Amino acid sequence: EAGVAQSPRYKIIEKRQSVAFWCNPISGHATLYWYQQILGQGPKLLIQFQNNGVVDDSQLPKDRFSAERLKGVDSTLKIQPAKLEDSAVYLCASSPRRDRGIIQYFGAGTRLSVL
Amino acid sequence: EDQVTQSPEALRLQEGESSSLNCSYTVSGLRGLFWYRQDPGKGPEFLFTLYSAGEEKEKERLKATLTKKESFLHITAPKPEDSATYLCAVQASGNTGKLIFGQGTTLQVKP
Repeated sequence: EAGVAQSPRYKIIEKRQSVAFWCNPISGHATLYWYQQILGQGPKLLIQFQNNGVVDDSQLPKDRFSAERLKGVDSTLKIQPAKLEDSAVYLCASSPRRDRGIIQYFGAGTRLSVL
Repeated sequence: EDQVTQSPEALRLQEGESSSLNCSYTVSGLRGLFWYRQDPGKGPEFLFTLYSAGEEKEKERLKATLTKKESFLHITAPKPEDSATYLCAVQASGNTGKLIFGQGTTLQVKP
């Protein structure tokens, strides 16, 4: 079974530029998560989708971050404009549903450096 | 506020030297506690889920335990390939499935 695919693996941009990340979850997984992991910290949830609807975006900086999941499969996360503090690894995860104890499977992440 | 704290931040062991990693949590209704392993440049990889105090799970040299306030990940006779960052996360009450992670413990096992 193929895992969660993310691209690009690395991205370097200057502050105030825009950037987009792509995620393809495990086939059949209805729930998709985007996490931000700053160096030396654990992942922090940015946004969660159930199919193509948003379940939780309470920690998404909506003035600069946006995300969509068209057709309930692939998802993109965009930052516009980027700030220095956005330098982090952006992880995508998926699960079959969002029940108690359900395992989330993570992709390898996109490492973003904002200069 | 739901919170997870892991200790120590970093741990160096000699091969074969057993030890434990700690995960303390404060959560409004625990639906599950998760342990993940993260290698450099990779995403977290699932290890265990624990649901209630007193529960234990084992996998090779790893054993996870759970109390009402904390979880331990015991590593018995570790090998260099066990070197990684170990992340603890809780799933709180509510129906989102959201995980709240600790900052992780970076384990280095020297041969």
